Amino acid sequence: GDSVTQMEGPVTLSEEAFLTINCTYTATGYPSLFWYVQYPGEGLQLLLKATKADDKGSNKGFEATYRKETTSFHLEKGSVQVSDSAVYFCALRKGGKLIFGQGTELSVKP
Amino acid sequence: DAGVIQSPRHEVTEMGQEVTLRCKPISGHDYLFWYRQTMMRGLELLIYFNNNVPIDDSGMPEDRFSAKMPNASFSTLKIQPSEPRDSAVYFCASSRGGDGNSPLHFGNGTRLTVT
Repeated sequence: GDSVTQMEGPVTLSEEAFLTINCTYTATGYPSLFWYVQYPGEGLQLLLKATKADDKGSNKGFEATYRKETTSFHLEKGSVQVSDSAVYFCALRKGGKLIFGQGTELSVKP
Repeated sequence: DAGVIQSPRHEVTEMGQEVTLRCKPISGHDYLFWYRQTMMRGLELLIYFNNNVPIDDSGMPEDRFSAKMPNASFSTLKIQPSEPRDSAVYFCASSRGGDGNSPLHFGNGTRLTVT
């Protein structure tokens, strides 16, 4: 069945460091891909999305490119801030359902 | 526009009791989802509705769980009888449309503790 795999956390970085969180997916057809972020005690918020191959989603300095050849959607940010500390979820949507990866906790230290 | 509203925010109950979680989706959204989040299993899709009709309930763990959507602005998830292993955060989400251009909007969740 369809699935999403993320790199395991927690990831700990210093402020202004470069961030990459790896995400790969398994799906038939052409799913849409998403990154969601969850801050402590809150629900998930959409961070960015891409709906077809080679699309780049971006928001708040975060970027991810839909790579069909490698079935990947890695999240990147050039310079993280303490306020970026959260859990990040990669997800795919096909046929109505949204399927999540296991989440990657990011902790940014000042 | 108000987001997805869930109630209660926290629920503590004893094993064997009935628990009802409530959700009000965003007005105009035609898809509604119930997810469960635990440390061990992450985010699991329990069930989702389209136009108030259940489309896929394959994630509902067992017969103790039931979900209804009597109208476009209200849904419930009921656990009867509850067990300690049901302790989790339950999220409701809604979307306008079911394709990839339609992101899900999540409520803040209900943290359920069954003792």
